[in-house]
Formats: sequence, C-alpha cells, structure tokens
Amino acid sequence: GENVEQHPSTLSVQEGDSAVIKCTYSDSASNYFPWYKQELGKGPQLIIDIRSNVGEKKDQRIAVTLNKTAKHFSLHITETQPEDSAVYFCAASSFMDSSYKLIFGSGTRLLVRP
Amino acid sequence: SAVISQKPSRDICQRGTSLTIQCQVDSQVTMMFWYRQQPGQSLTLIATANQGSEATYESGFVIDKFPISRPNLTFSTLTVSNMSPEDSSIYLCSAGAANTEAFFGQGTRLTVV
Repeated sequence: GENVEQHPSTLSVQEGDSAVIKCTYSDSASNYFPWYKQELGKGPQLIIDIRSNVGEKKDQRIAVTLNKTAKHFSLHITETQPEDSAVYFCAASSFMDSSYKLIFGSGTRLLVRP
Repeated sequence: SAVISQKPSRDICQRGTSLTIQCQVDSQVTMMFWYRQQPGQSLTLIATANQGSEATYESGFVIDKFPISRPNLTFSTLTVSNMSPEDSSIYLCSAGAANTEAFFGQGTRLTVV
C-alpha cells in the first residue's frame, strides 16, 4: 500500500521568510496530492492540492510542486506570517478506485516567529 | 466546499462504555471516511462508509470495535465500543464526492478514563 513520508517534522522560520515542506510517496498509482493545515483544536483544512497531470500549482503565497518521476511533492509558503503557524499534513491518494482514501504524512509543525 | 459538522466536539467517557459520534454534511456526498488522530500524531484511516453498503475497514480496525452506519448521503455515525484509555484520540470524519476535494469535520476529542 501507499506510504507517505514528510520532512521536516518541525520548522521554525522568521516572519517574511519562506518555508518548504517535502513529501515522498511510494505508490506510483497515486495521482492526487492535497495539503492540509491543522490549527490547534480544529480539523484539517485543505489549503491546496495538485493532480498528477500538473507539475506546479500556485495560490497567492502558497505553491505546490510535483515530481512524478521522483515521487516527490513539496509545499512552498512565501512571505510567511504568524498566522501560518500550524501543523501541515501532506497526503496522497489514488482515484483509480473512485475514493479519497487519503494516506497522510506524519505532519510538520511550522512556527513563524514575529 | 462541503461543510461538515461533528457531534460531540469532545467527551470524557468511562472505560467499558461506548460513544457514538455523528457526522452531518451539508450536501450529498458519495464517500465518507472516518479517521483517528492520536495526540500529536498524523491521521490514520479507520474505514470508508458508502451509502447502501457495509463500511470497509482498514487493517487494524474491526467492525465490532468501530461499527459505522451510513443511512443516507449526508450522514454517518461511528461508534467506539467497549472503550479503553488507548481509544483516547481525536476522531475525524471526512467527506467527498467523485473528483472533488475531501473536507474534514472539526473532530471529536475523546478521553477515556
């Protein structure tokens, strides 16, 4: 089955700097890669996703890149702000069985220092 | 995007008892999923619940311990049965339709004493 590894487990950056979180997946059949942000006491919130027919996707300060050959995908946050502090999870899924059986990475705790 | 409501948001339960968690979606969805998130950990899929069929459980999770109902396209329940302190976790439901994103409820924080 699918296995998703996520690095780093913690990341501390100065406000205004960029943050990069990296994930690798094992199942070449995976074709959907969402990123979730989880704040304390809340459920995960989808922030951006990418499908395997696209190499990069951007939404304001957030971007995701996908390298299918290497089975890597990364989250990039530019101009970080204190409200970006949260735990971020990557996930991988295959649509082949028409389900969203998401397999999650272990999470990255991001701290943005004012 | 779908709005997902979970009840209760938190509970403290005695060991040996059972708790049923409800998940309501504001629109019809094909698939609903139940996850467990132990303190400080990632999300682990418990089971997939499709309307009109029995839930499909992941390795390590069994129906006797986590019975699930899915009576219609907007509602599901997860019961945590015969609880022990090891069942203390956050339980999350998720919903999505074919080719759309998966959204999560706010979770149920369960403490078993």
